[in-house]
Amino acid sequence: DSGVTQTPKHLITATGQRVTLRCSPRSGDLSVYWYQQSLDQGLQFLIQYYNGEERAKGNILERFSAQQFPDLHSELNLSSLELGDSALYFCASSVAGDSNQPQHFGDGTRLSIL
Amino acid sequence: AQSVTQPDIHITVSEGASLELRCNYSYGATPYLFWYVQSPGQGLQLLLKYFSGDTLVQGIKGFEAEFKRSQSSFNLRKPSVHWSDAAEYFCAVGNYGQNFVFGPGTRLSVLP
Repeated sequence: DSGVTQTPKHLITATGQRVTLRCSPRSGDLSVYWYQQSLDQGLQFLIQYYNGEERAKGNILERFSAQQFPDLHSELNLSSLELGDSALYFCASSVAGDSNQPQHFGDGTRLSIL
Repeated sequence: AQSVTQPDIHITVSEGASLELRCNYSYGATPYLFWYVQSPGQGLQLLLKYFSGDTLVQGIKGFEAEFKRSQSSFNLRKPSVHWSDAAEYFCAVGNYGQNFVFGPGTRLSVLP
């Protein structure tokens, strides 16, 4: 058990819809990272938050947004969903904001777009 | 920009055989290096990390990795593979002020 909690585990929705994925980091971790994993793209870094502020941005689409709340949990919002958004979405957390620290991953949310 | 390559997409070994998974990185300075394992339907689990010091690092589940600066490599090894080691393995690199970068992964199959 990594200590990182992601909900829901599975999500099935239709094109054009909007969903919210939730992540609670390990106790004491200030950084939260979001990743998308698909068969054709591999593991893609989306965005990082550190202590409530956006810290780094990766390959995140404009239809996607995230935030980190004062209690350090984070949400990833995906809107105007397309078939290609079907993937596993992982949240990871680390103690500090720099990537010299190991990240601890949740079990992911599997998003299926019908 | 930093990058990580894992030359082997898929490796198959027999149970009890030794294993070496290759990882090469491109980085301007000494990076922080990590190996993760992902079992089917699971998240990534940290196996081991290298920050500095001894270039041979020990991890969980009997894995070890060796940092070779001259070859820009950080290969993962295990002397005797168990069937439960079948999974996807990711090498990753990071450092101050840089994004974490994962390699494409190597899928390990274990024959009985």
